[in-house]
Amino acid sequence: DTGVSQDPRHKITKRGQNVTFRCDPISEHNRLYWYRQTLGQGPEFLTYFQNEAQLEKSRLLSDRFSAERPKGSFSTLEIQRTEQGDSAMYLCASSSTSVGEQYFGPGTRLTVT
Amino acid sequence: QQQVKQSPQSLIVQKGGISIINCAYENTAFDYFPWYQQFPGKGPALLIAIRPDVSEKKEGRFTISFNKSAKQFSLHIMDSQPGDSATYFCAARGSYIPTFGRGTSLIVHP
Repeated sequence: DTGVSQDPRHKITKRGQNVTFRCDPISEHNRLYWYRQTLGQGPEFLTYFQNEAQLEKSRLLSDRFSAERPKGSFSTLEIQRTEQGDSAMYLCASSSTSVGEQYFGPGTRLTVT
Repeated sequence: QQQVKQSPQSLIVQKGGISIINCAYENTAFDYFPWYQQFPGKGPALLIAIRPDVSEKKEGRFTISFNKSAKQFSLHIMDSQPGDSATYFCAARGSYIPTFGRGTSLIVHP
């Protein structure tokens, strides 16, 4: 399967703990995006990478969130000191150009108890 | 401020019927309007998309109608099938980041 993959698919954590998610984009795609989706809402943009450079961050990305794409391939999204409001589906997408179609992964569902 | 408004929130149709989902946008800088289909436990997948230089685009049973002056666009699913049961999101994009509607949960009864 050469689509976007995300790991883990589900994560349950206690409030205050740190969590890290991984996204592997389609191999030839140099653009990678992170979104958050809550119940009954569409995906909301969090941040965007072109190769290893993080080019844009949404105001939704608080200081507790950090994303990296160290070698321009896979990316990680870390949430520090998780809060119950962080419970959501975290989606990763990739594209080959800035205006090209974005292909989404299956998402990581985070539950903070 | 919700830049893309989608309705209805949920829709139930009989097999063979027509499903219609509507969206309205505010930002005139948007120039690309995709529709996504999302099944439970999956990420959104592109279904069909349109640019504002055309008023309609059809792919199989799926048609987008676009009204630039009204800043509205809609998805029509002809001959709806139970396998079409999913959540549908409209989106609008001006740069490279799409703004999504809140989604419509479609149920097609056999």
